[in-house]
Amino acid sequence: DAGVIQSPRHEVTEMGQEVTLRCKPISGHDYLFWYRQTMMRGLELLIYFNNNVPIDDSGMPEDRFSAKMPNASFSTLKIQPSEPRDSAVYFCASSLGTGVFSTAFFGQGTRLTVV
Amino acid sequence: AQSVTQPDIHITVSEGASLELRCNYSYGATPYLFWYVQSPGQGLQLLLKYFSGDTLVQGIKGFEAEFKRSQSSFNLRKPSVHWSDAAEYFCAVGAYNTDKLIFGTGTRLQVFP
Repeated sequence: DAGVIQSPRHEVTEMGQEVTLRCKPISGHDYLFWYRQTMMRGLELLIYFNNNVPIDDSGMPEDRFSAKMPNASFSTLKIQPSEPRDSAVYFCASSLGTGVFSTAFFGQGTRLTVV
Repeated sequence: AQSVTQPDIHITVSEGASLELRCNYSYGATPYLFWYVQSPGQGLQLLLKYFSGDTLVQGIKGFEAEFKRSQSSFNLRKPSVHWSDAAEYFCAVGAYNTDKLIFGTGTRLQVFP
């Protein structure tokens, strides 16, 4: 398996534009996590899915952020409209089985810069 | 609420020297503890995890960690550091009744030849 695949690897956009980050989890994994990493706040869990259903989105910073998982092999994280403070590295991770007991495999991340 | 503290933001060691990265957690019950490593430009990779049993846990790449309940700590150690160990290291805590991991802010390790 190629691992968790995220696209794009880098994204530069202007403030106010819509940004969509994509993730393909490892085949067969039933949990998918979206994290955001910044210097100030470290690694924060934004939202996670189990069997394509959002379980906990309490980490989503505000209504500008939304995430979907239309099927077991694809998820998106959308920011609309984007703001400079959204600049961060966004990671997607997947695991098989209960999240805490299972090893989470991370993608390489998407570095988002909003100017 | 669960929390993780990594007191050292940046550590520099010489190649071949021993290493200890500190991690303190806050959680009312038995925690589930993890160490992840992030190489430059890469995602996080699991080094080791502790759920129960032997408090000294062996991981990949020659790393080990010791759970000390009395000190609420889960420090990561390696007897002899290699230049390829230069990376950022994250400690994380999870709880039995949740699928979420709470990560520390990370410790950046620099290795000098």
